[in-house]
Amino acid sequence: DIQMTQSPSTLSASIGDRVTITCRASQSISSWLAWYQQKPGKAPKLLIYKASSLESGVPSRFSGSGSGTEFTLTISSLQPDDFATYYCQQYLSYSLTFGGGTKVEIK
Amino acid sequence: EVQLVESGGGLVQPGGSLRLSCVASGFTFSNYAMSWVRQAPGKGLEWVSGFTTAGDTTRYADSVKGRFTISRDNSKNTLYLQMHSLRDEDTAVYYCAKVRETGYSNFDYWGHGTLVTVSS
Repeated sequence: DIQMTQSPSTLSASIGDRVTITCRASQSISSWLAWYQQKPGKAPKLLIYKASSLESGVPSRFSGSGSGTEFTLTISSLQPDDFATYYCQQYLSYSLTFGGGTKVEIK
Repeated sequence: EVQLVESGGGLVQPGGSLRLSCVASGFTFSNYAMSWVRQAPGKGLEWVSGFTTAGDTTRYADSVKGRFTISRDNSKNTLYLQMHSLRDEDTAVYYCAKVRETGYSNFDYWGHGTLVTVSS
């Protein structure tokens, strides 16, 4: 199985900060990577697919980049609604695998 | 509006069985691959099982292979997960999820989840 490693596991930031989360794959997954946001007690929400494509309805402050084994999710200016946990997911091959998550907390 | 509504969760003893259901609406169910993803209390997301296409090809995580069976009834717009030989570590919220685009297994819609608790 392809292992997905996210860093950091927790991130403390302030409103307006630029935030970057990294996801590394144990082997090349080309651009077959998605990013999700999850809030407590809620289902995950798709933010980014194919590494850099913004899902419809997702604010443009979210962006994704990378290919191969290294990927990043960037929030250009952190908003109150963005405090949540973020997961990456590879969909090159089965078993589908998720990163361990990055919790974005208020500083 | 796309909706996915899971049911069937509950408390079950180790070694027991349970069947989860996910009723879909708001899209042509038969045209899309679907998966089950779970989340243990306080933990991250784990893909469990899914259809790789809108057809019959299924895949399972190693942790559930041989114990869980995924199926679908397109006439009822319903996805199922039959779970046998349940273990403590199967305790989790189970989500059903719809792929965004056939052939690409990222998920644009998720249900609210149903909690499965395996405990004696």
